[in-house]
This record gives sequence, structure tokens and C-alpha cells, in this order.
Amino acid sequence: ELKVEQNPLFLSMQEGKNYTIYCNYSTTSDRLYWYRQDPGKSLESLFVLLSNGAVKQEGRLMASLDTKARLSTLHITAAVHDLSATYFCAVDIPSYSGAGSYQLTFGKGTKLSVIP
Amino acid sequence: DTAVSQTPKYLVTQMGNDKSIKCEQNLGHDTMYWYKQDSKKFLKIMFSYNNKELIINETVPNRFSPKSPDKAHLNLHINSLELGDSAVYFCASSRTGVRQTGANVLTFGAGSRLTVL
Repeated sequence: ELKVEQNPLFLSMQEGKNYTIYCNYSTTSDRLYWYRQDPGKSLESLFVLLSNGAVKQEGRLMASLDTKARLSTLHITAAVHDLSATYFCAVDIPSYSGAGSYQLTFGKGTKLSVIP
Repeated sequence: DTAVSQTPKYLVTQMGNDKSIKCEQNLGHDTMYWYKQDSKKFLKIMFSYNNKELIINETVPNRFSPKSPDKAHLNLHINSLELGDSAVYFCASSRTGVRQTGANVLTFGAGSRLTVL
């Protein structure tokens, strides 16, 4: 069974600091996604990483993928309060029950709180 | 125009009742999903439909029955509701759940918060 593990699950950081969220997964996949969820809201796609060594950046967030290590990272640079949210990574793998189909399996999420 | 819309947004009901949640997408996507998010924010896939055909049916009680009248709609009916069914249910869609080329990016609805008393 695929396991997608994020750490830390909770992260409290001060504005202006840097930090990295880690996402490990247990089976071969070269497609990994990062989503953001604000409290009481839906999930919003942040990054799509489609190959080994892929790196994407948007503002203060940068995501990378190492398929050999089965690891993705989400790096936060000079955090601001607006980044406070829960961040999910998700891995795209063949579905157990649908021939030829794929499904996303999500990590448990990292709740980020940026303190002024 | 909302891309993936769910109704109702909130649902409070008694144990043993039957309820439905409706979902519609106007993105022209081929695949639709139901995810359950529990109180600890853990997201788990329940069902997936591709062009009205069920392609993913994870281990959920058979009290949960999805119905897809067309590829733009995926409804979720729940019979004999139990306390443990309390959660937020998210509908989502993607261009294709069968990976050919390109990414399988999901667009989520706003969620339907179900509370069973």
C-alpha cells in the first residue's frame, strides 16, 4: 500500500524565516503535486512536478522532486503571514481498482502558522 | 462561474437518516472524484468516475453510493448515516484520471460539511 508521509505535520514559524516541508512516498512515481488549503476552504493546486529533478517556484515557495529518493520538498523563503495554511503533497499512482487508471494519494498535510 | 460546485455546503442530520450531496463541474473534465476529509484533515479518495463509468471504488461502506448521470455530475448518496460519517466531503474533477500525457491536476469543489448527530 502506498504511503505518503509529510513532516512536520505542524509548523509554527516567525515571519522572515526559512523552512522546508518534506514529503516522502513509498512507491515509484514520477508525478507529485502540492496543494494548499486555507482553513474552511477548498484545496488549491500549487505545483505539479513531473520528472526527477523538477523544480518549480512561485513567490516565496519552491518545490522540488527527487524520484530516486522518493522525496519532494517545499521550501519556504522569508515566510509571511499570508502563507499560513495547510499544505498537502499528493502522489499519482496506478489505481488499485481501475485498470489503467491513476489516482492521487495525499499526505496528511502540514499545518503552517506564520507568526508576525 | 464556479468550476466545481457542490451542494449543500453544510448538512446537519440525525443518525439513521439518508442524505445526498450533489456535485457539478463546468470544466469539461472527463473524471470526477469524491474525497472524504476527516477531523484531522486527512484526505482519502472514495470514488472516481470517468465518463460516467466507475473506475475507482475504495473501501467504503456500501451505505455510500455514487451516481453519475452524465460526465459533468457526480452525486453521493449516503444511507443510514452514522456518527463516523461526519466529515467534509470534497468533489473534484480532472481532465483525465487515466494518465496518458500531462498531469492529473484535480480541481476541487468548496466541500460539503456533514455533521451527524
